Parts: sequence; C-alpha cells; structure tokens
Amino acid sequence: DAKTTQPTSMDCAEGRAANLPCNHSTISGNEYVYWYRQIHSQGPQYIIHGLKNNETNEMASLIITEDRKSSTLILPHATLRDTAVYYCIVRGAGSYQLTFGKGTKLSVIP
Amino acid sequence: DVKVTQSSRYLVKRTGEKVFLECVQDMDHENMFWYRQDPGLGLRLIYFSYDVKMKEKGDIPEGYSVSREKKERFSLILESASTNQTSMYLCASSPGQATTEAFFGQGTRLTVV
Repeated sequence: DAKTTQPTSMDCAEGRAANLPCNHSTISGNEYVYWYRQIHSQGPQYIIHGLKNNETNEMASLIITEDRKSSTLILPHATLRDTAVYYCIVRGAGSYQLTFGKGTKLSVIP
Repeated sequence: DVKVTQSSRYLVKRTGEKVFLECVQDMDHENMFWYRQDPGLGLRLIYFSYDVKMKEKGDIPEGYSVSREKKERFSLILESASTNQTSMYLCASSPGQATTEAFFGQGTRLTVV
C-alpha cells in the first residue's frame, strides 16, 4: 500500500470549513483513499473513501486530484466535536489491512 | 448500527500472567482485527482473521496469539504479559469485501505491572 503524508497539526475556527490535505504520490491505480478520525480515548471512526471521483456523505467531502497523487478531506462546518486526529490511508482493493500513519491533529477553536 | 464491543475498557495485569482480550461484533462481519496503539507509534496491526479459525500475522505479532472459534468473536491472548505490552488495544471488524470500511471498538487500555 502506498504511503501518505499529512501535516502534523491544523487549527480551524468553529463554523468554518476544515480542509485537511493528504499527499499520496505513489498511489497505484487500484488503491483507494480512506479517511478515518480518532477522537480522544475512542476507537477510530470511518469517515469516507474514494477511488477516483470526488465523494460526499453526511460527514464530509473527499476531493481527489485528477492525477490521484493527493486528496483533501473537507468538513464543511467544523464544530468543537470535530477536534480529533484525522488519518488518511491508502489501501489496495485486495488488501484487508489498514495501515495507519501519524495523522493530522485537528483542533477546532471556538 | 454496527457494534464492536471489547470486554474491558481498562485492565491491570501482573507480569507473567496470561491475558485474554475479548472482542465481539454483531454484524456478521467476516474480517476481524487487533491493533495496538502507542504514543508516537500510531496504530499497529497485531493479527487479523478473515474467517472462522483463520488468522494472519500483522506487523507486530510477537508475544501475542489469537483465537477465532466463532464468527462474531475474536480473542487476543498475551501468553505471558510483559511491561512492554502496556498499551491501548483496539479491535475492529469489516465485511468480507476488502474495500468496505472497518468499524472499531472503544479500546482496552491494558497496564502490565
């Protein structure tokens, strides 16, 4: 599975959009991009995943660049409860494993 | 909603004890996983299972074993607990199709003294 690079930490004002970037320049054609988050003292929570096209669900939007070498997770209206560590993971279609990196610690500021 | 339940939230055990961490999922998922999480090291996969009685080693299996006798239950066993196994342990499950999401339990914080 390809490696990912994320900023260590980010701040976002409450009510504003949080845009979390992820670089995955070595991604291959059959690898998906997944996003999870982990709120303090809880298990990771799935947010969204995609292959090529942009995806949206009730939690977030995922924007994948045309060359698929990077992606951005967008939380449209961040709240204090969105403060968490966000993990970007690249996973092959035939792989059962999720390999977690260090993630981005997002702090939503009142 | 999928529920992954770990038997204990906090556990304190003595060095040398045999420790069982239990995980149960209620959504008939084929795949189950055990991770440990340590500060600065992130989540690391210990073992996973893609079917009853089947198991595969993850990245750090040394000092651990697993058991999956029933589809809904996946146990992590520390044969002889050591202080370097003090950690947060997280169980997860996912459906058989590899591209679907995994669901995690709340974690067990194990302290070995």
